[in-house]
Amino acid sequence: EDKVVQSPLSLVVHEGDTVTLNCSYEVTNFRSLLWYKQEKKAPTFLFMLTSSGIEKKSGRLSSILDKKELFSILNITATQTGDSAIYLCAVNLYGNKLVFGAGTILRVKS
Amino acid sequence: SQTIHQWPATLVQPVGSPLSLECTVEGTSNPNLYWYRQAAGRGLQLLFYSVGIGQISSEVPQNLSASRPQDRQFILSSKKLLLSDSGFYLCAASDERNYGYTFGSGTRLTVV
Repeated sequence: EDKVVQSPLSLVVHEGDTVTLNCSYEVTNFRSLLWYKQEKKAPTFLFMLTSSGIEKKSGRLSSILDKKELFSILNITATQTGDSAIYLCAVNLYGNKLVFGAGTILRVKS
Repeated sequence: SQTIHQWPATLVQPVGSPLSLECTVEGTSNPNLYWYRQAAGRGLQLLFYSVGIGQISSEVPQNLSASRPQDRQFILSSKKLLLSDSGFYLCAASDERNYGYTFGSGTRLTVV
């Protein structure tokens, strides 16, 4: 059975802190790994990772994939209250089916 | 690029009533279509996916069904809602050619 596991399940930090969110996976037919941010409605796309060791960066967010150890991390530096959200990791399988993890609920306190 | 129209945004239905949620896609042809459900504050669970008209795969046994009467239309239905059907339902579409995966704005269903 295809499985994606995220940790921690929830996290409370103060503004300015750096956080690391984890995602491990066990799937067949891996195609890519995606990170999404979800606030109130539909998830919004953050990153897509297909190759090991290549960091993707967007502002204060960055992510990297390790295809040998089957995990990815999402880093957020200098957190702000606007970063409060559910962060979802998903693995895209061949056939374009996404398998999601349970998500990490991040709350940034001012 | 793909655009997904999903409605209604919120819905409150009594137990035992029927359900029909509709999703339509613009900007692509022959997309893969998906219905996901999200329990409060948690990840997304894939309910159904479709690779073409009339082709539906169910991921989990449940009280719901899906249909794809047209290439860019995907419908989630139930004959009799249960309390456990409450949740946030998301329609999504993907285009095999470019890895793109687009979500609709979701329907928050409360069964009372």
